[in-house]
Amino acid sequence: GAGVSQSPSNKVTEKGKDVELRCDPISGHTALYWYRQSLGQGLEFLIYFQGNSAPDKSGLPSDRFSAERTGGSVSTLTIQRTQQEDSAVYLCASSTDWGGIAEAFFGQGTRLTVV
Amino acid sequence: AQKVTQAQTEISVVEKEDVTLDCVYETRDTTYYLFWYKQPPSGELVFLIRRNSFDEQNEISGRYSWNFQKSTSSFNFTITASQVVDSAVYFCALFGPRRGSQGNLIFGKGTKLSVKP
Repeated sequence: GAGVSQSPSNKVTEKGKDVELRCDPISGHTALYWYRQSLGQGLEFLIYFQGNSAPDKSGLPSDRFSAERTGGSVSTLTIQRTQQEDSAVYLCASSTDWGGIAEAFFGQGTRLTVV
Repeated sequence: AQKVTQAQTEISVVEKEDVTLDCVYETRDTTYYLFWYKQPPSGELVFLIRRNSFDEQNEISGRYSWNFQKSTSSFNFTITASQVVDSAVYFCALFGPRRGSQGNLIFGKGTKLSVKP
């Protein structure tokens, strides 16, 4: 597609359930980021993938959070045993390289609500 | 540590007023990049500008201008003759070589700009 695509756009889940959020980056972009944006807050870095390198997971808030990137393209962010504090908009971005050279293009996000 | 501070949480102006959004950053890197993004009510972040640490020339793009001053670690954004369509949350971001657990592209908390007709 022309831009970064995220699905679903909205997700409501019950506390304790697992959820998977999907990101389709722009074709050819080697760098992929996940961020979390809580209501009225800035963007909190979660995880970063660059090509075939080991991902930078330093931003993941707990071991309930994990992410994969298959074939250097699509990425899935998984949250296990969701908690109410996980409610936020999860944003995915991709760029052509390490991020410092080229700008990151963002998807429209997945709004997660844990009830 | 790398950090971006946007001290202004919310700004409200009347259409046609000029407005400046402040951004102060902290980094020990000599090579780094600064960005501004716009997040309209639709939610998708839109890239506005990228500036590297070696280029201190100010930049103007239409009604938008950016003032980069390394001496004060600031990268301020001015909108001239603001319009209602400028209403959005604006984020300043910093990228530097990754160190420890700092990740890479670090964002400020954003400034919500409301432009009233």
